[in-house]
Amino acid sequence: GQNIDQPTEMTATEGAIVQINCTYQTSGFNGLFWYQQHAGEAPTFLSYNVLDGLEEKGRFSSFLSRSKGYSYLLLKELQMKDSASYLCAVRGSNDYKLSFGAGTTVTVRA
Amino acid sequence: GAVVSQHPSWVICKSGTSVKIECRSLDFQATTMFWYRQFPKQSLMLMATSNEGSKATYEQGVEKDKFLINHASLTLSTLTVTSAHPEDSSFYICSAGEAGLQYFGAGTRLSVL
Repeated sequence: GQNIDQPTEMTATEGAIVQINCTYQTSGFNGLFWYQQHAGEAPTFLSYNVLDGLEEKGRFSSFLSRSKGYSYLLLKELQMKDSASYLCAVRGSNDYKLSFGAGTTVTVRA
Repeated sequence: GAVVSQHPSWVICKSGTSVKIECRSLDFQATTMFWYRQFPKQSLMLMATSNEGSKATYEQGVEKDKFLINHASLTLSTLTVTSAHPEDSSFYICSAGEAGLQYFGAGTRLSVL
């Protein structure tokens, strides 16, 4: 089975940094994804990690440790528009099938 | 990135009627598409995997006779919610795989009265 855990909610101030942690226990591992989802909209792809280490894309970075079953998404220089739900998802095999965590709602305050 | 189109974006129907949702890959061919359901403040729950030219694979607990999936071409999958009831009201999202990533449609909000 798949077990993916992430915090329910986080609040941060505009301009600050927030780190969203994700731990997983899955049968097989073939990549970890982070998606952003605004209320009432479909998820949009943010990052993908399949090897250990840090992937940086502008203000967003994602880290993976396969031995620890752990990932985090780092959001820097927070903007109001970053208020959204962030979903951690794991691909367990070679097909495209993903298992999603419950999502972390990030609220950015002025 | 690849584009997935989902239609309609919003539908209201009476209890007992059927509703069809379309998912199209616009600029790529998708042999596999996925259908998810999302209740308010919850994550995406995979309902089924739609396979072009063959039967869909349903997740445990999802009624295949209630949620009919057809994937007749490499660019189109449809989900039909048959005899819809108020408890079927939800946000339905499709996705398609391309170059190792899943791309999502904009979602369909279904309200059953």
